[in-house]
Amino acid sequence: GQQLNQSPQSMFIQEGEDVSMNCTSSSIFNTWLWYKQDPGEGPVLLIALYKAGELTSNGRLTAQFGITRKDSFLNISASIPSDVGIYFCAGPPRGGGADGLTFGKGTHLIIQP
Amino acid sequence: KAGVTQTPRYLIKTRGQQVTLSCSPISGHRSVSWYQQTPGQGLQFLFEYFSETQRNKGNFPGRFSGRQFSNSRSEMNVSTLELGDSALYLCASSLEWTYGYTFGSGTRLTVV
Repeated sequence: GQQLNQSPQSMFIQEGEDVSMNCTSSSIFNTWLWYKQDPGEGPVLLIALYKAGELTSNGRLTAQFGITRKDSFLNISASIPSDVGIYFCAGPPRGGGADGLTFGKGTHLIIQP
Repeated sequence: KAGVTQTPRYLIKTRGQQVTLSCSPISGHRSVSWYQQTPGQGLQFLFEYFSETQRNKGNFPGRFSGRQFSNSRSEMNVSTLELGDSALYLCASSLEWTYGYTFGSGTRLTVV
């Protein structure tokens, strides 16, 4: 099946720093989704991307849909303590299918005071 | 606007038992999906229901089943529980699945 590889697996940063993470696949995705999950909660949709090359912002978050349609990037500017959590990329299989959303393994963001 | 509601939040069951988890989607959402989240395997798709019909199913054994009612509420059932079924079970609803799901807070199932 399709797999999404997220990197880095974890990030230890200082408050105020910018954060970059990415997601790659060997298969083409027509939609890229970025979710954040806080401990004990379900994932929350941050940004959805629908078109190759698309750059979309949501406050301090910016995500891009890679031109090859096999990757996506998420940047967080000026990190704050509430940014701590696990960030997942996800996408539906091309043309639909039996697998639902495919999720990456996540990037754990830890902010040191 | 109420979000996706999952009940119960926590559950402890014994091996061999069966369990039923419930999910109430956002009002107006007709698509409901279920995911299993474990530290080792991450988030894995279980199945999706739309208008009371199972549209998609992931690669899980037949012990995992679900259904959707006419009011879009959904239940999933796991029979003959195994230790490896311990996980966070997440339900998500959507108007149109390609536009991103809204997840509930999940049911934490522990099998002992």
